[in-house]
Amino acid sequence: GDSVTQMEGPVTLSEEAFLTINCTYTATGYPSLFWYVQYPGEGLQLLLKATKADDKGSNKGFEATYRKETTSFHLEKGSVQVSDSAVYFCALSERDSGYSTLTFGKGTMLLVSP
Amino acid sequence: GAVVSQHPSRVICKSGTSVKIECRSLDFQATTMFWYRQFPKQSLMLMATSNEGSKATYEQGVEKDKFLINHASLTLSTLTVTSAHPEDSSFYICSARDVSNSPLHFGNGTRLTVT
Repeated sequence: GDSVTQMEGPVTLSEEAFLTINCTYTATGYPSLFWYVQYPGEGLQLLLKATKADDKGSNKGFEATYRKETTSFHLEKGSVQVSDSAVYFCALSERDSGYSTLTFGKGTMLLVSP
Repeated sequence: GAVVSQHPSRVICKSGTSVKIECRSLDFQATTMFWYRQFPKQSLMLMATSNEGSKATYEQGVEKDKFLINHASLTLSTLTVTSAHPEDSSFYICSARDVSNSPLHFGNGTRLTVT
């Protein structure tokens, strides 16, 4: 079945540091890939997505590129802020499911200190 | 933007009692809602797909008689944990979408603790 593996956290960085959160996946079909963010006390929010190979999703300074050859969708940001502290979830959705359901990674907590 | 409200955010109940969690789409109609469960340091696991006006579709290994789902209207789905036990303690989160292939919108989740 489908699965998503992301690096364990917490990831602890100083403000303005470079961020990478690794995500790899296995899928039977041709999935769409997502990053969701969960700020403290809030629900999940879609951060960015990519629907086909070599697509780059971007939002709020975060980027991730759909790499089919390495089955990866690593999240990056050039300069993190304290307000980026949250839990980040990588997820995929299969086209065959009508993109109706999501398979999530375990989540990676990011802690950014001033 | 689209908002999904989930209530309560936290609930503590005694073993053997039932707990109902509500998931509402506030400014859109959702024909389909999804219920997830998250154990500590684990992935969000899809429990069931809730379809308005019909029976929910449960994922393999999820007891439908224990986790009752009702989707009586286009804006409300409820999850009832029946005869709760300590092992049911978890974080439950719902999601919904307004139109096909649009992004899912998530509720804030419900932390259930069964004592």
